Amino acid sequence: AQKVTQAQTEISVVEKEDVTLDCVYETRDTTYYLFWYKQPPSGELVFLIRRNSFDEQNEISGRYSWNFQKSTSSFNFTITASQVVDSAVYFCALSENSNYQLIWGAGTKLIIKP
Amino acid sequence: SQTIHQWPATLVQPVGSPLSLECTVEGTSNPNLYWYRQAAGRGLQLLFYSVGIGQISSEVPQNLSASRPQDRQFILSSKKLLLSDSGFYLCAWQRTGTETQYFGPGTRLLVL
Repeated sequence: AQKVTQAQTEISVVEKEDVTLDCVYETRDTTYYLFWYKQPPSGELVFLIRRNSFDEQNEISGRYSWNFQKSTSSFNFTITASQVVDSAVYFCALSENSNYQLIWGAGTKLIIKP
Repeated sequence: SQTIHQWPATLVQPVGSPLSLECTVEGTSNPNLYWYRQAAGRGLQLLFYSVGIGQISSEVPQNLSASRPQDRQFILSSKKLLLSDSGFYLCAWQRTGTETQYFGPGTRLLVL
């Protein structure tokens, strides 16, 4: 069965600390896609990244980086030198090739304290 | 570029009243469209999705319904709202044949 687990319900760190948000997924498909979305207090879900199952290269975008490891079925998200504006709920999601609907994790609330 | 609109932004309605939330997409044709609901402090629940005009799939049985009268318009409705319908309603679009969904600004609904 397909499933996305974000075990960290809430994380609180002080500004400038690095923080990693965990995402573990389950799927039987060999072709699938993984996503991260950010939901700031305003509510709108902002797309951050999509990764397909054939590309295990880590990705870096500014202070954001993503570590995809098929061996552990994980797609973790790291924010380096966190800032108050990073405070949001972050969702990890899975899409299988056979079905383009998204399977969502429960989200991790990230609080960055000044 | 593509843009997705939702209105109203916020809505306060009494129990038993009807509901109509609208979502429109600009800058793309024949998108897949989705309605999600998010209860306070919770994750996303897929309510409906549509792959074309008049084609609606329901994920959760409830007193809500959806319609797609035009290619880029998706409407969420209810004849009689329940207290449990309160939440944050998000519309999303997806280019046909691709995987990424893009979300609108959402509608906050409070049923009293």
